[in-house]
Amino acid sequence: EVHLVQSGTEIKKSGESLKISCKTSGYSFTTYWIGWVRQMPGKGLEWMGIIYPGDSDTRYSPSFQGQVTISADKSSTTAHLQWSSLKASDTAIYYCARVIDTSMMRYFDSWGQGTLVTVSS
Amino acid sequence: SYELTQSPSVSVSPGQTARITCSGDILPKQYAYWYQQKPGQAPVLLIYQDNKRPSGIPERFSGSSSGTTATLTISGLQAEDEADYYCQSTDYSGFDVLFGGGTKLTVL
Repeated sequence: EVHLVQSGTEIKKSGESLKISCKTSGYSFTTYWIGWVRQMPGKGLEWMGIIYPGDSDTRYSPSFQGQVTISADKSSTTAHLQWSSLKASDTAIYYCARVIDTSMMRYFDSWGQGTLVTVSS
Repeated sequence: SYELTQSPSVSVSPGQTARITCSGDILPKQYAYWYQQKPGQAPVLLIYQDNKRPSGIPERFSGSSSGTTATLTISGLQAEDEADYYCQSTDYSGFDVLFGGGTKLTVL
């Protein structure tokens, strides 16, 4: 069974750095893309980017390019999302999700439980 | 850039049929996907490739797509179906992911 387990709640201050994680199991980590999705308080889902752990090929949404870094560690089958300098507007729940990706399809079939990030100014 | 548009809210009585629509110029070219998100929970995939259900999703949930509109239909509505529903597709290149703004379904 596919499992994605995310790291716990983070409370940070503006300007601080942060790296959250998404530990996967139950499938071949290197042969599926993993994506990150943001959900700001009371708002909808926003796609941030995806990574292919097999070769670390990464694609960012234009809205998040340069704002975050997505990475993957094959040895621990874990994906990461990191910020170098947080802003209050980064306050949100962040979800990782496994991506089903073919020539005509890209969607998320299994999701992590979410990581709440709260940034105070 | 492409967008997906959903009505903000829909209210339906128990036992009735709810229809949630998603409009976008990309939909004639790309598949639609649907997710259910209950309060405090992660999204769950309901429909993929316009009309296919993952294993474990009840038959009450169905999807269709025609022209620029994709529709999620929930028949025999139950109180537990009260949730936010999001459509998703990809841009013309198939690379970038698009989400609709979400529809809050209230079971009266």
